[in-house]
Amino acid sequence: DPKIIQKPKYLVAVTGSEKILICEQYLGHNAMYWYRQSAKKPLEFMFSYSYQKLMDNQTASSRFQPQSSKKNHLDLQITALKPDDSATYFCASSHPGLDYEQYFGPGTRLTVL
Amino acid sequence: QEKVQQSPESLIVPEGAMVSLNCSFSDSASQSIWWYQQHPGKGPKALISIFSNGNKKEGRLTVYLNRASLHVSLHIKDSQPSDSAVYLCAVRGSNAKLTFGKGTKLSVKS
Repeated sequence: DPKIIQKPKYLVAVTGSEKILICEQYLGHNAMYWYRQSAKKPLEFMFSYSYQKLMDNQTASSRFQPQSSKKNHLDLQITALKPDDSATYFCASSHPGLDYEQYFGPGTRLTVL
Repeated sequence: QEKVQQSPESLIVPEGAMVSLNCSFSDSASQSIWWYQQHPGKGPKALISIFSNGNKKEGRLTVYLNRASLHVSLHIKDSQPSDSAVYLCAVRGSNAKLTFGKGTKLSVKS
């Protein structure tokens, strides 16, 4: 059974629209993360949460808003979508702290037309 | 801002060969170095990590870290076609954030 679920697997959106990417983890972790991988750039850190609190935000734009409704959920809302937002978005989780492995989900591939 | 450079960009080897992947990083205060494996259309999966100078062996994998030269390498012994994937080097700083390199694409031919 998959331990980190991301929905949907593929998503097509039009410029200017808003989408929510879903992430649920069943590993019992209290730290969750979002990363983005595009064709032009390496895998990039976006956000980290620990015990449902935002710990680090490396995105330059307020169009990206993480939402933690439950301790094993960390969704990503993206507003005013642009073609440059096209990428695969990965959710990850770990135990809090620096020594623990971050486990990655299968990703949501977003295409903005 | 941490920078991570990987080489080579791609590598083709015959089955059974020893594979050597390189990674250089910019911050000597980085907490740990992680190697991830990523198959097409999948999320990255951690293979091995190292925190201190020296080497660490796990199965067919050995990683060497030299903090003075800001260099880490991953060696895969007796490579198999199933090892074909992209290998990502990631550096973890003090805030748990992972900074990734662009990866090395490995193809093992049988």
